[in-house]
Amino acid sequence: DVKVTQSSRYLVKRTGEKVFLECVQDMDHENMFWYRQDPGLGLRLIYFSYDVKMKEKGDIPEGYSVSREKKERFSLILESASTNQTSMYLCASLTGGTKGGYTFGSGTRLTVV
Amino acid sequence: ELKVEQNPLFLSMQEGKNYTIYCNYSTTSDRLYWYRQDPGKSLESLFVLLSNGAVKQEGRLMASLDTKARLSTLHITAAVHDLSATYFCAVVGGGSQGNLIFGKGTKLSVKP
Repeated sequence: DVKVTQSSRYLVKRTGEKVFLECVQDMDHENMFWYRQDPGLGLRLIYFSYDVKMKEKGDIPEGYSVSREKKERFSLILESASTNQTSMYLCASLTGGTKGGYTFGSGTRLTVV
Repeated sequence: ELKVEQNPLFLSMQEGKNYTIYCNYSTTSDRLYWYRQDPGKSLESLFVLLSNGAVKQEGRLMASLDTKARLSTLHITAAVHDLSATYFCAVVGGGSQGNLIFGKGTKLSVKP
């Protein structure tokens, strides 16, 4: 089974801090994604990457950047954390074959104070 | 712009009852996914529907796809408390990178 690992389940950071959220997958997938999930808003795509060093903006990229230096690792960076970035962050890797779709990591609940 | 709408957004039902969750999407797509999310947890894949008329079943859940109507349904049969969760449908968005567009989710609560 594909495994997608997010390094932290819970994080508390201060306003203005630079925050790194890490995501690692173990199946050599090209496509990886970062979403944030908020009550009433569902899942919104922040960034995705379809290869090493390749990235594309999703629907809500403002205030975020990403890094994909190695195929297995896709990092989300909050350049200067703000309280409105308090959210659940979900990383996903695109699974091919008959199942298809995403495999999600366990999520990181980030609180910015 | 592809939009995915689920209804209802909230559903409270009694154990033993049947109900259907609906997922409409706005542009053509030949692939639709259903996910389940338990409180505080991540999303778990339930079904992938790959063609018009596709039907998948697992336990008390059955999903179907009508690509002409741009509609998928998730039918719950004889609900049990363990099915309480939020259910999302998702459709492949534009582009070749496979990014999914999600509905807002249906929060299901099954009461004894």
